[in-house]
Amino acid sequence: GAGVSQSPSNKVTEKGKDVELRCDPISGHTALYWYRQRLGQGLEFLIYFQGNSAPDKSGLPSDRFSAERTGESVSTLTIQRTQQEDSAVYLCASSLRVFDEQYFGPGTRLTVT
Amino acid sequence: LAKTTQPISMDSYEGQEVNITCSHNNIATNDYITWYQQFPSQGPRFIIQGYKTKVTNEVASLFIPADRKSSTLSLPRVSLSDTAVYYCLVVDTGGFKTIFGAGTRLFVKA
Repeated sequence: GAGVSQSPSNKVTEKGKDVELRCDPISGHTALYWYRQRLGQGLEFLIYFQGNSAPDKSGLPSDRFSAERTGESVSTLTIQRTQQEDSAVYLCASSLRVFDEQYFGPGTRLTVT
Repeated sequence: LAKTTQPISMDSYEGQEVNITCSHNNIATNDYITWYQQFPSQGPRFIIQGYKTKVTNEVASLFIPADRKSSTLSLPRVSLSDTAVYYCLVVDTGGFKTIFGAGTRLFVKA
């Protein structure tokens, strides 16, 4: 079956612009996660959704970051007023239930110039 | 949150068994341990998960001692294609956060 997909695969934006990153999880997966991975580093947990609800948003780096999920399906990570330090690969994952094995998408590579 | 510590890198040769140990001294009672593998330009892929003692699947084994303050991922007979970054993480079921450390870069040589 189809895996987790993310779009766009690459995004180059100017400092100060807003960007939206999209994640389509595996159908039927109730949990969805967002991570950030800077070059050569490990994954930084940002937020997770159980259904359409995000119980804990404390992992988001700043108030410029927000995320939503609708219909227990698609999720969007929005970064407002992008900064150069936001440049990274943003990975999305989904799992059948919150503590189950996570399936990752290919990521969106964001470059802020 | 239980922080994990792993070796930064390891080298091995094809056909050898590789053991990667992860320390998680502050693991909580309800937390469990998961390992992921990541190839360049790809998202991580689940390898194995466990709570205590030993877990084995078709690709790896996971050894967890009684105090659960560490865990060891064992990869039998590695091949060149096992060259990747391996992440140990502790899943905090209390509040749910998954903390990926810097991972261990395994390089398998011919």
